[in-house]
Amino acid sequence: GENVEQHPSTLSVQEGDSAVIKCTYSDSASNYFPWYKQELGKGPQLIIDIRSNVGEKKDQRIAVTLNKTAKHFSLHITETQPEDSAVYFCAASSDNQFYFGTGTSLTVIP
Amino acid sequence: EPEVTQTPSHQVTQMGQEVILRCVPISNHLYFYWYRQILGQKVEFLVSFYNNEISEKSEIFDDQFSVERPDGSNFTLKIRSTKLEDSAMYFCASRLAGTETQYFGPGTRLLVL
Repeated sequence: GENVEQHPSTLSVQEGDSAVIKCTYSDSASNYFPWYKQELGKGPQLIIDIRSNVGEKKDQRIAVTLNKTAKHFSLHITETQPEDSAVYFCAASSDNQFYFGTGTSLTVIP
Repeated sequence: EPEVTQTPSHQVTQMGQEVILRCVPISNHLYFYWYRQILGQKVEFLVSFYNNEISEKSEIFDDQFSVERPDGSNFTLKIRSTKLEDSAMYFCASRLAGTETQYFGPGTRLLVL
């Protein structure tokens, strides 16, 4: 089955700096890659997603890149703000079954 | 904005007891999922459900687990005889037909003593 690895497990950045979280996957059949943000006590919320026919997608301060050949995808958050502090999960999916990474706890220091 | 809801938010039970976790998916969604997240670990797929049938299930979803859509709005996960290792956060998710995005509920934290 699919195996998703996510790094780093924790990340601290100064407010205004950029944050990058990286994931790798093993199954070349995976074709959909969502990123979820999970705040304390809440369920995961979709923040951005990318499909395998696209290399990059951007939504305001958030961007995701995908390298199908290398089987890795990354989340980029620019101009970080304290409210970006949360746990971020990547996932890989084929046939709508999601396989999640282990999560990255992001702390934005004011 | 429509959202997935789950009840209860927390449940404490004794080992060997049955528990039922409840979810109300987004109203026009037809695909439903249960995931679990053991403390400090990744979110793991348990089961997917469509058209009143299980579509797929993981190795975790053994005979102690069952799912049901008892009426037009609820989607339930039953654990027949809970074990200590069932302690986790359980998330329900739903998806609209023809899309890939799964919307997650806030979760139920289950503690088995």
